[in-house]
Amino acid sequence: AQKVTQAQTEISVVEKEDVTLDCVYETRDTTYYLFWYKQPPSGELVFLIRRNSFDEQNEISGRYSWNFQKSTSSFNFTITASQVVDSAVYFCALSSGNTPLVFGKGTRLSVIA
Amino acid sequence: EAEVAQSPRYKITEKSQAVAFWCDPISGHATLYWYRQILGQGPELLVQFQDESVVDDSQLPKDRFSAERLKGVDSTLKIQPAELGDSAMYLCASSMGQGGLLQETQYFGPGTRLLVL
Repeated sequence: AQKVTQAQTEISVVEKEDVTLDCVYETRDTTYYLFWYKQPPSGELVFLIRRNSFDEQNEISGRYSWNFQKSTSSFNFTITASQVVDSAVYFCALSSGNTPLVFGKGTRLSVIA
Repeated sequence: EAEVAQSPRYKITEKSQAVAFWCDPISGHATLYWYRQILGQGPELLVQFQDESVVDDSQLPKDRFSAERLKGVDSTLKIQPAELGDSAMYLCASSMGQGGLLQETQYFGPGTRLLVL
């Protein structure tokens, strides 16, 4: 069965600190896709990134970076120089097999000015 | 930028009443999803449509929930009768639906927050 674990329930950092959100996934499929979404207080889920299982290259987009390691089944997300606007709940999600999308429980990030 | 529209944004109802939520996906998106998100949890799929057809409704409590997408565009999710445990965020998402669904990015609407008293 597919499963996503986000062990960090809540994280608080001071503005300008770097922060890493952990994501560990489980699947028996060799082809799968991993996603990160941001959910601000307004409620909508905002798509951040999609990565397929055959591409282990790390990716950087501005202050955001993602570290995909198949050996540890992890897809961690780092925010560099965090800002107050980064405060939100962040979800990691997995798509594999016959299941379109399975979400973790999310990590609530609070960035304090 | 194209967005998924949902209404209402908030709904308060009493138990045993009927409620309905509406979703308009991004134009041209063939696949539409309804999710339920309980406070402190990730979204969980309720039903998935490909055009007007239901692809997956295995997690939809069919004794009280129903969903339709009659013309393959917008969709309605109904709960009748509502129960206290139905209080949650109901999210709609859409994807292009042209390739393998496994790899498609889903785009979400703002959700409807339901409170059942």
